[in-house]
Amino acid sequence: DAGVTQSPTHLIKTRGQHVTLRCSPISGHKSVSWYQQVLGQGPQFIFQYYEKEERGRGNFPDRFSARQFPNYSSELNVNALLLGDSALYLCASSSLGQPMGEQYFGPGTRLTVT
Amino acid sequence: GIQVEQSPPDLILQEGANSTLRCNFSDSVNNLQWFHQNPWGQLINLFYIPSGTKQNGRLSATTVATERYSLLYISSSQTTDSGVYFCALEETSGSRLTFGEGTQLTVNP
Repeated sequence: DAGVTQSPTHLIKTRGQHVTLRCSPISGHKSVSWYQQVLGQGPQFIFQYYEKEERGRGNFPDRFSARQFPNYSSELNVNALLLGDSALYLCASSSLGQPMGEQYFGPGTRLTVT
Repeated sequence: GIQVEQSPPDLILQEGANSTLRCNFSDSVNNLQWFHQNPWGQLINLFYIPSGTKQNGRLSATTVATERYSLLYISSSQTTDSGVYFCALEETSGSRLTFGEGTQLTVNP
């Protein structure tokens, strides 16, 4: 079975631009979570979606938004990019909502903002 | 929110040595996972261990939930074990994993 997939793998954007990152969960998983990992730190939670509803939101500005589609895939959108948004963005899926159960991570999207 | 502390922050070993990584946490948890992050950034699941002891080959883990700590044991280390090891917790309120700062492991040949 395929694991969690993310696209694109790498992305370079300019300050002020908008970006959309995509994630497909493991087949049968209904929960998708997004994390941001800056260099040298552990991943930080951004959002969790379960059954297409937002179930949790981390301490990130309103420039960050997300949604989950009927097929349980998800998009993370970031508006008005800042240099500090440069990071590895990780998507995780699980079969449960709350508690989440075991989380499985995708390979990540590496975003560079110049 | 819950506090997660991993130790040591850095560890350098010779191939074949054993090591113990520790994760302390400040509150009750639904879930505790150990991950290995490879040089390309992929987080690889090692253990899902909210309590008890598990073993997988050269790796084993123990979580003592009542005392709020977990240990990851690596025996007969290999150069391919190099990378960052993260402990991550799901609080009882659910909806997110909170990660520690990680342990950077380097195994030299």
